[in-house]
Amino acid sequence: DQQVKQNSPSLSVQEGRISILNCDYTNSMFDYFLWYKKYPAEGPTFLISISSIKDKNEDGRFTVFLNKSAKHLSLHIVPSQPGDSAVYFCAPSRIQGAQKLVFGQGTRLTINP
Amino acid sequence: DTAVSQTPKYLVTQMGNDKSIKCEQNLGHDTMYWYKQDSKKFLKIMFSYNNKELIINETVPNRFSPKSPDKAHLNLHINSLELGDSAVYFCASSHLQGLEQFFGPGTRLTVL
Repeated sequence: DQQVKQNSPSLSVQEGRISILNCDYTNSMFDYFLWYKKYPAEGPTFLISISSIKDKNEDGRFTVFLNKSAKHLSLHIVPSQPGDSAVYFCAPSRIQGAQKLVFGQGTRLTINP
Repeated sequence: DTAVSQTPKYLVTQMGNDKSIKCEQNLGHDTMYWYKQDSKKFLKIMFSYNNKELIINETVPNRFSPKSPDKAHLNLHINSLELGDSAVYFCASSHLQGLEQFFGPGTRLTVL
């Protein structure tokens, strides 16, 4: 029962262009959505989040969009930089009981110079 | 200043052995977690403790026993290790109502 799907296992983008990572979820009870970034041999680190009362949240080069009706969110990185090369995990949660993050399978993003 | 630390980083052992992984956080959080990342790369929560009390216990074999001696520590003991236990185990911490969890670097367990 996969509640969170990141259908692109990998994505390759040229430096300076926009990277778009997608995430679909099935559980309509999710009301808070996080993105984590993970480098090899390190733990995931928090990147950006969005509450279900919003449809967009921006933090510097990173913007997350939420489409609740479609149960879809996306992470936009613009402009993409070589240091953005990592695995990105989508992790929906519920504000009540926020302890239980449900992670997607991750998308490996490679930024090419 | 390491926020969430785990030891050991790598653990190679034989089937049937018992092993422990330790986790410590210096963030002042009251809630700690264990996650397992399997070969398919899914990160799945196993346990969560709040102030030394178990609050999340997913469907995990009872060979896995978490222990929290205090708020800053959460250890994972695994009995009778099996091949399928090979994975990367991540510890994390947060405030109970915090929406962001902070992860340790992971422990790669290999069972031969």
